[in-house]
Amino acid sequence: EAEVAQSPRYKITEKSQAVAFWCDPISGHATLYWYRQILGQGPELLVQFQDESVVDDSQLPKDRFSAERLKGVDSTLKIQPAELGDSAMYLCASSLRLAGEAETQYFGPGTRLLVL
Amino acid sequence: AQSVSQHNHHVILSEAASLELGCNYSYGGTVNLFWYVQYPGQHLQLLLKYFSGDPLVKGIKGFEAEFIKSKFSFNLRKPSVQWSDTAEYFCAVGGGTSYGKLTFGQGTILTVHP
Repeated sequence: EAEVAQSPRYKITEKSQAVAFWCDPISGHATLYWYRQILGQGPELLVQFQDESVVDDSQLPKDRFSAERLKGVDSTLKIQPAELGDSAMYLCASSLRLAGEAETQYFGPGTRLLVL
Repeated sequence: AQSVSQHNHHVILSEAASLELGCNYSYGGTVNLFWYVQYPGQHLQLLLKYFSGDPLVKGIKGFEAEFIKSKFSFNLRKPSVQWSDTAEYFCAVGGGTSYGKLTFGQGTILTVHP
């Protein structure tokens, strides 16, 4: 069964450093999402891509976060500089919209970030 | 803006007990509703989903959920839980003007004692 791949699985960094996360969606999935999940809460959308275009980045802190999906396949989420409050799980999801069905998002294992 | 509320943060049950986890959402338009589950050490997995038709939806592992439009609710049920159901459960809402985007509840941790 195809899965969403993410790396690294864990990342420890010091504040003010730069970090980057990578996501490879399920093959053929045009839509890709990055979510942030703070401990004890549900995931919250950071950015949504349709192919290589950003559809929604209204919740992305653009002063320090950036995301790209240059060829419409894999994607990178970057934080620079990292702050203590960025410690969270960063989840990637992908979906394929089929006619007559609810769009279902499939999640990767996530990258757990700890900022010291 | 959409919001999702899950009634219980932590539910503790014994095996064979019945389960009902509450979920309410705030959006008056057409919505798609989901329950996701996260087993310890694993990633989020789809349990079941509703977008139209029969409001009683059956999912994997014996779970079901009922969409009650008048109550803006989508409660998750299972008649008899097992130890292996220990996990965190998330209700999510998608659709309307927020195409594709899912809004999640805060999650409910279910602990099942053998």
